[in-house]
Amino acid sequence: AQSVTQLDSHVSVSEGTPVLLRCNYSSSYSPSLFWYVQHPNKGLQLLLKYTSAATLVKGINGFEAEFKKSETSFHLTKPSAHMSDAAEYFCVVSDPVSSGSARQLTFGSGTQLTVLP
Amino acid sequence: DTEVTQTPKHLVMGMTNKKSLKCEQHMGHRAMYWYKQKAKKPPELMFVYSYEKLSINESVPSRFSPECPNSSLLNLHLHALQPEDSALYLCASSRNFAPQGGGNTIYFGEGSWLTVV
Repeated sequence: AQSVTQLDSHVSVSEGTPVLLRCNYSSSYSPSLFWYVQHPNKGLQLLLKYTSAATLVKGINGFEAEFKKSETSFHLTKPSAHMSDAAEYFCVVSDPVSSGSARQLTFGSGTQLTVLP
Repeated sequence: DTEVTQTPKHLVMGMTNKKSLKCEQHMGHRAMYWYKQKAKKPPELMFVYSYEKLSINESVPSRFSPECPNSSLLNLHLHALQPEDSALYLCASSRNFAPQGGGNTIYFGEGSWLTVV
């Protein structure tokens, strides 16, 4: 069975400072991992995805994440926060062995990012 | 073009009303999904359609009735809902119904905000 834990429910940073959103996963096999962002009153937008290629994945809007199998982590980072980054972020895992099972995607509980001026 | 379009954006309905939510995609995707999202929570899977056939029903009450008229359209018919059904309903699509990875990313619409009074 797969699971994902977002270690912080809320993160607050100042504009222009680095962002770190932490995610740990549990999966029986080599998973696919994703970060989605949800701005207020909006749907989910894919930020980036890891699918067993390069372990450092670059996404949109300057975000990137590094897959670390030994630590079962997939933390999301950005060098410099912008006010427009304020949103809810979801770490998501998909297990390739889960074909046909009840859930395709397992969502983390979400991290609310606040960016202070 | 990675767009999933949902209508209406907002819907207020009484507990005795019958209404429908609509979803459309023109990416040639053959899997379509309905998710329900409550405030400050991750999305929860409701239904999955694969090649216009219902593949997964996550034990959703019968007052929610999905329909997939063709490969581009997905409806969610609503009848006799309860106030606790008020939520954001997200439609999504992917190339096919398989564990995510590579090109089989799930793309979400902006959602339909439903309020049951």
